[in-house]
Amino acid sequence: AQSVTQLGSHVSVSEGALVLLRCNYSSSVPPYLFWYVQYPNQGLQLLLKYTTGATLVKGINGFEAEFKKSETSFHLTKPSAHMSDAAEYFCAVSAPNQAGTALIFGKGTTLSVSS
Amino acid sequence: NAGVMQNPRHLVRRRGQEARLRCSPMKGHSHVYWYRQLPEEGLKFMVYLQKENIIDESGMPKERFSAEFPKEGPSILRIQQVVRGDSAAYFCASSPTETGNTIYFGEGSWLTVV
Repeated sequence: AQSVTQLGSHVSVSEGALVLLRCNYSSSVPPYLFWYVQYPNQGLQLLLKYTTGATLVKGINGFEAEFKKSETSFHLTKPSAHMSDAAEYFCAVSAPNQAGTALIFGKGTTLSVSS
Repeated sequence: NAGVMQNPRHLVRRRGQEARLRCSPMKGHSHVYWYRQLPEEGLKFMVYLQKENIIDESGMPKERFSAEFPKEGPSILRIQQVVRGDSAAYFCASSPTETGNTIYFGEGSWLTVV
């Protein structure tokens, strides 16, 4: 069975500050990992994903995440927050090599950015 | 290339009525997923379908909820005899046939039961 835990349901940062959103996973097999962003009243947009290969993954809007197998983590970071980054962020896990396997999501972290 | 299309975007139903939510996957995608998002609870997997087949419905409530993905036309999530607790955002997603497991989400359908 797979699961995802996002530590901190709300994170607040100042504009220009480092963004760190935490995600830990549980999986019986090496996982595929994803971060999605959701703006109010909209669907989910894929930020980045890790499947295989390089453990540091770069995504859109300046975000990146690092897969750390030893820590079972996939934390999302951005060096400098922008007001437009305020949104809800979801970490998700799926089992690899299974076409179309459903994603299991964490409960989400709401990011607030203040000026 | 159009994304995943969901309609209606917003739907209001009275208790006891039926709600039908439609989803057209991205072109070339034959896998469809439905998720429900309740406040403060994140997204919960409901059902995974391929054309004319339900592959995994482990997240579907046992009663009143059903889903289909016919050979022709959109996938339908049907909720019979809606109750206030069904009020939520329902998201459809699709993925292509090959492995890789990236799924693409629609904009969602917000159901309000009054």
